[in-house]
Amino acid sequence: QLQLQESGPGLVKPSETLSLTCTVSGDPISHSHYWGWIRQPPGQGLEWIGNIFYSGSTHYNPSLKSRVIISIDPSENRFSLNLSSVTAADTAIYYCARWGISWLGESFDYWGQGALVIVSS
Amino acid sequence: ELELTQSPGTVSLSPGERATLSCRASQTVSSSYLTWYQQRPGQAPRLLIYAASNRATGIPDRFGGSGSGTDFTLTISRLEPEDFAVYYCQQYDNSRVTFGGGTTVEIK
Repeated sequence: QLQLQESGPGLVKPSETLSLTCTVSGDPISHSHYWGWIRQPPGQGLEWIGNIFYSGSTHYNPSLKSRVIISIDPSENRFSLNLSSVTAADTAIYYCARWGISWLGESFDYWGQGALVIVSS
Repeated sequence: ELELTQSPGTVSLSPGERATLSCRASQTVSSSYLTWYQQRPGQAPRLLIYAASNRATGIPDRFGGSGSGTDFTLTISRLEPEDFAVYYCQQYDNSRVTFGGGTTVEIK
């Protein structure tokens, strides 16, 4: 059974960089899927941040693209999110997920439990 | 930029009733890339329906998806207590993922 687990600081100061890691277990990350980050501000809806392929190819939400870097480490079976110059508006639960690809369609089929990150001084 | 509008924002129903949730896109969406998720309080979203009408593994058959083009629907035939939650539609196009704003199904 595939499992994903987010980890990283729960508190980040304004203007600094938010860094989270998603560790994948139950399947090699190098299998042919994309891996993604999604966030959810408290009491609000879901916002896609970006996806990364095992080869390192990335796609980012245009609204966040200038501040986001997603990287992948197949040797450690994990991928990471860096979001720079954070403000209070970046306070959210951050989810990592697998973008599953089948002959029928594509979707986020496995999700981590989420990590709350608060931006505050 | 493609947008997804979900309606209603909140619907109040009783257990056993039928729920009909709408997701409307600002442009044509490929059915292969239209997905529905369920999010219960305090939990991560869970995949319900992919490719517009295909139930994910383990999803009961009271959940059904339909639609094409710009109009998609999630139907819950008979609400069970565990179905009261928030439902999101999502699409993928041109390497971008977009979520709708969500519909809350609450107990009447």
